[in-house]
Amino acid sequence: DGGITQSPKYLFRKEGQNVTLSCEQNLNHDAMYWYRQDPGQGLRLIYYSQIVNDFQKGDIAEGYSVSREKKESFPLTVTSAQKNPTAFYLCASSMVGDRNTEAFFGQGTRLTVV
Amino acid sequence: DAKTTQPTSMDCAEGRAANLPCNHSTISGNEYVYWYRQIHSQGPQYIIHGLKNNETNEMASLIITEDRKSSTLILPHATLRDTAVYYCIVKGLYSGGGADGLTFGKGTHLIIQP
Repeated sequence: DGGITQSPKYLFRKEGQNVTLSCEQNLNHDAMYWYRQDPGQGLRLIYYSQIVNDFQKGDIAEGYSVSREKKESFPLTVTSAQKNPTAFYLCASSMVGDRNTEAFFGQGTRLTVV
Repeated sequence: DAKTTQPTSMDCAEGRAANLPCNHSTISGNEYVYWYRQIHSQGPQYIIHGLKNNETNEMASLIITEDRKSSTLILPHATLRDTAVYYCIVKGLYSGGGADGLTFGKGTHLIIQP
């Protein structure tokens, strides 16, 4: 079945370590996105990419990095520069162009930094 | 993109219709109304979207007022599995396409009572 997959579901890291969250989609979508969600809050955009080898900062990009070497994959690295990395991370994908379309979300990765 | 206002929480009895309101008084002519929902600890799920006509799909109906300043999402026969946070989002057709134009507020926490 087509879909968007995030792994792992739960991730624990020690403070000061970089960690990479995986996001893969087989929907042939051009655009991919990373959001962060804190308890009781809405989603905040970290980075997005509308084409391979190109990506843009969202509202809260500091302390994060991404790459888009393949259309299907958009990994997110949480670096040690991120002051408060413990959160629920959501990846999404969608078509782009001059038509409105729905976004498909993965099931999320819950990152806990201790 | 226009801002939306939703009640913080609502209750509905199982089997009854759940009507979730959303105000978007500053919506412009080319902005669509989208609804997503998020079940606890999962990724958001697309429900429905519309421009000015009422829309219906297998999940819900969307009623948009004639002046487009408000809308109502209707779940016709709510079940316990419909308990979730429901997000009403206004997005322009050309705001980058897809999820980068999706601004998630805190939504409405709908609780279906047995």
